Amino acid sequence: DQQVKQNSPSLSVQEGRISILNCDYTNSMFDYFLWYKKYPAEGPTFLISISSIKDKNEDGRFTVFLNKSAKHLSLHIVPSQPGDSAVYYCAAKLSGNTPLVFGKGTRLSVIA
Amino acid sequence: DGGITQSPKYLFRKEGQNVTLSCEQNLNHDAMYWYRQDPGQGLRLIYYSQIVNDFQKGDIAEGYSVSREKKESFPLTVTSAQKNPTAFYLCASSIQAAYNSPLHFGNGTRLTVT
Repeated sequence: DQQVKQNSPSLSVQEGRISILNCDYTNSMFDYFLWYKKYPAEGPTFLISISSIKDKNEDGRFTVFLNKSAKHLSLHIVPSQPGDSAVYYCAAKLSGNTPLVFGKGTRLSVIA
Repeated sequence: DGGITQSPKYLFRKEGQNVTLSCEQNLNHDAMYWYRQDPGQGLRLIYYSQIVNDFQKGDIAEGYSVSREKKESFPLTVTSAQKNPTAFYLCASSIQAAYNSPLHFGNGTRLTVT
């Protein structure tokens, strides 16, 4: 059973507009959340993370929001650029010696 | 330059043969991981190791084996028992599994078994 769900397999956004990628999780014990970006035939690269004690974390054009009551997080990219076109993975982690659990990814296409 | 090196980038094998995928890191990270990526499946954990000479099974360990004899190296063997071995394999490392630190990934090995 999937603990981390990205229900939108794909998303298309115009250049300059906001991209919003969503992620839901089922395990309320997750306490650390991350977003990764992946280009074809390459490994994922870390984008941004958030601890469960926060509800927002911002890094340049990227902002992650966490709603613990809804077990939902989202990644906002503003403004979107063509180079942002990639697959984005949401990941979550329990505290302690536990590995990351990944969602299935959302493919973002930013159209010029 | 610090990083994770996976080799080779592409690997072809005949069905029934075991094959070993290499993963080396020079980041001085304690924890190392193997994930498998299939279309529409995201990243699924095969095995992970928190320290040398210790490793744990992930969600899809059947048909795979690993070793962790050195901190820098975490090779993955895909055995003939793995029913669907064709996939993109990703190795990763982190400072420690206990810490809230991101994983650093290699660039993957695409294995094709025919």
